[in-house]
Amino acid sequence: QQQVKQSPQSLIVQKGGISIINCAYENTAFDYFPWYQQFPGKGPALLIAIRPDVSEKKEGRFTISFNKSAKQFSLHIMDSQPGDSATYFCAASIINNLFFGTGTRLTVIP
Amino acid sequence: DTGVSQNPRHKITKRGQNVTFRCDPISEHNRLYWYRQTLGQGPEFLTYFQNEAQLEKSRLLSDRFSAERPKGSFSTLEIQRTEQGDSAMYLCASSSPGGGSYNEQFFGPGTRLTVL
Repeated sequence: QQQVKQSPQSLIVQKGGISIINCAYENTAFDYFPWYQQFPGKGPALLIAIRPDVSEKKEGRFTISFNKSAKQFSLHIMDSQPGDSATYFCAASIINNLFFGTGTRLTVIP
Repeated sequence: DTGVSQNPRHKITKRGQNVTFRCDPISEHNRLYWYRQTLGQGPEFLTYFQNEAQLEKSRLLSDRFSAERPKGSFSTLEIQRTEQGDSAMYLCASSSPGGGSYNEQFFGPGTRLTVL
C-alpha cells in the first residue's frame, strides 16, 4: 500500500515556467514532509521540507504548499531552469521512517 | 567531501550468489538507514540503526538479508542467495542526533545491484 501518492509521473515545462508536483497522504500521524531531488546515478538530496503546522514554506524558487485538512501538499518550482531537470520525490515521515512517493520526472526545455 | 559513501557503486552477480555492500555515514551521524529503490519507484525503507543497535526492520527485509553496524560507524548489508527480484539500487542514508521527531537524512550515491 502506497503511503504517499504522487502525481504527475512526468512533467515537461518550458524554461521560465512553473513546475507543480502534487502529493497526497492518508496517515495523519505523519509529522514532517520533505521533498527530495534526485539526479541520475545519484542519491536523493533534500530540497525543502515542511511541518504540518505551516501552510507554506518558500526557499528561493521552491515553495511547498501544505493543506492539512485535505491531506495534500505540493511543490512549486518557479522560473524553472534546465538544471532543475531531475526526478522529484515527496515523502512523509513518522519518527525516523520516511515514506516516499513514486517520483516525478521533470524535464525543463530550454 | 565528507558525505555518505557507498561501495561498490555497481555490482553484477549471478543468481544464488551472496553479495555484501558497505556504507560509510557522515562521521558524526549516529543514525544509519538502508533503503531499496527499484526503477521508477521511490526509495523503500529496509532497516535503521542507532549507533550499533538495529532498531527497526521492514517486512521487505527477508531472512536472506542481514545488516550490521558493528562499531556504530560503517554498516554492511548482505544479501544471501540472490534472486533476480533483488536487482535494485540500494541506498544508505545517515542523520545526526537532535531534538524533535525527525532528522534530515543525507543519502549516499547508492549501490546498483544487477542479478543475472
